[in-house]
Amino acid sequence: TQLLEQSPQFLSIQEGENLTVYCNSSSVFSSLQWYRQEPGEGPVLLVTVVTGGEVKKLKRLTFQFGDARKDSSLHITAAQPGDTGLYLCAITTHAGGTSYGKLTFGQGTILTVHP
Amino acid sequence: GAVVSQHPSRVICKSGTSVKIECRSLDFQATTMFWYRQFPKKSLMLMATSNEGSKATYEQGVEKDKFLINHASLTLSTLTVTSAHPEDSSFYICSARDFGAGVYNEQFFGPGTRLTVL
Repeated sequence: TQLLEQSPQFLSIQEGENLTVYCNSSSVFSSLQWYRQEPGEGPVLLVTVVTGGEVKKLKRLTFQFGDARKDSSLHITAAQPGDTGLYLCAITTHAGGTSYGKLTFGQGTILTVHP
Repeated sequence: GAVVSQHPSRVICKSGTSVKIECRSLDFQATTMFWYRQFPKKSLMLMATSNEGSKATYEQGVEKDKFLINHASLTLSTLTVTSAHPEDSSFYICSARDFGAGVYNEQFFGPGTRLTVL
């Protein structure tokens, strides 16, 4: 079973529309990260949410962490072609006895914004 | 911000040859680096965790003799794909965790290496 369920997997919209991407799990997270990746490049961190109910804004992007810290959403207002890319949510899982944390990614959402 | 580089960005090789990919943290020390593999339009799959001065920890299903990882210094980890075959063709991405990172485990990703095996 997937630890993180991300939806939708594909999103194709027109410029100016709004959209929301969801990331859900049955487990409680201490923190969750959202990344954006463009083709042929590595992911770039957008935000880390850590507090239940937290809302963070990054220009037209709004990130929310669920009250129970089991889910998160990314909302984009008035999408632009430059928002096109792969959006990934990720949480940290710790291997037993280790001090480092591994990132576990959701399946990703491929967003295409048409002019 | 923290910068991670990868070299080469693209490599094409013949089947049976070995390819080395370098991952460097440019402005911070990385005790831990991670190697991922990504197929087109898919998410990242963790292959292994590389710890400076010790053996890498491989994820289930990843052949450690196939994908050799060396983390010789706090700023460099290498992934060697040995005896590469066409099915090894993929986008390989590394990430590095800042030694001084807080509890949120923020990792910084390299730009990736596109490997094509003919």
